Amino acid sequence: DAKTTQPPSMDCAEGRAANLPCNHSTISGNEYVYWYRQIHSQGPQYIIHGLKNNETNEMASLIITEDRKSSTLILPHATLRDTAVYYCIVRGSSYNTDKLIFGTGTRLQVFP
Amino acid sequence: DGGITQSPKYLFRKEGQNVTLSCEQNLNHDAMYWYRQDPGQGLRLIYYSQIVNDFQKGDIAEGYSVSREKKESFPLTVTSAQKNPTAFYLCASTNSPGGLANEKLFFGSGTQLSVL
Repeated sequence: DAKTTQPPSMDCAEGRAANLPCNHSTISGNEYVYWYRQIHSQGPQYIIHGLKNNETNEMASLIITEDRKSSTLILPHATLRDTAVYYCIVRGSSYNTDKLIFGTGTRLQVFP
Repeated sequence: DGGITQSPKYLFRKEGQNVTLSCEQNLNHDAMYWYRQDPGQGLRLIYYSQIVNDFQKGDIAEGYSVSREKKESFPLTVTSAQKNPTAFYLCASTNSPGGLANEKLFFGSGTQLSVL
């Protein structure tokens, strides 16, 4: 079973910020939160990851709550090309548990 | 350029036939993964390998087999026992954990398998 839960779909107007939530209430101290996105019939693309501090790169920002049980991916100015399925996963450093389970993700639709 | 290559892009299987999907990476990654994706669904883990000559079953391993004889290669065989093989198959690689959780997962471009 996936260790994260996400809403199945969201809409966002072009040019506005898209805020995608992820719940990972069972996350352990050494597990990172990763975000990927998948455009139709392509391999998923890495977006960003973090452990406990907020992170920002050229694609997005990642806000992790203080208790680390949830996070939000922020696309600050969504474009039509950001329409995709977004996956939130957790990854730890244990040899035996690093199965990298993906859930069903959030389908983000950006509209004009 | 470094990357992960899947082939073929499209593959057709006849009844009772085994087919093998190729996955090669030149990123020097230890860990490799196979996922299956059905239309409109998320990714489901079939098999994964964290080191050469070792692999573990994922959540939907029945009807599939893998080998990891070389670090750079992780082929997936869809056997005749897999009764519903039509899906999009994705291969991925990353450095192994053990203090290296701070590593990205790289995906191939996928293979679409269909049954004739």
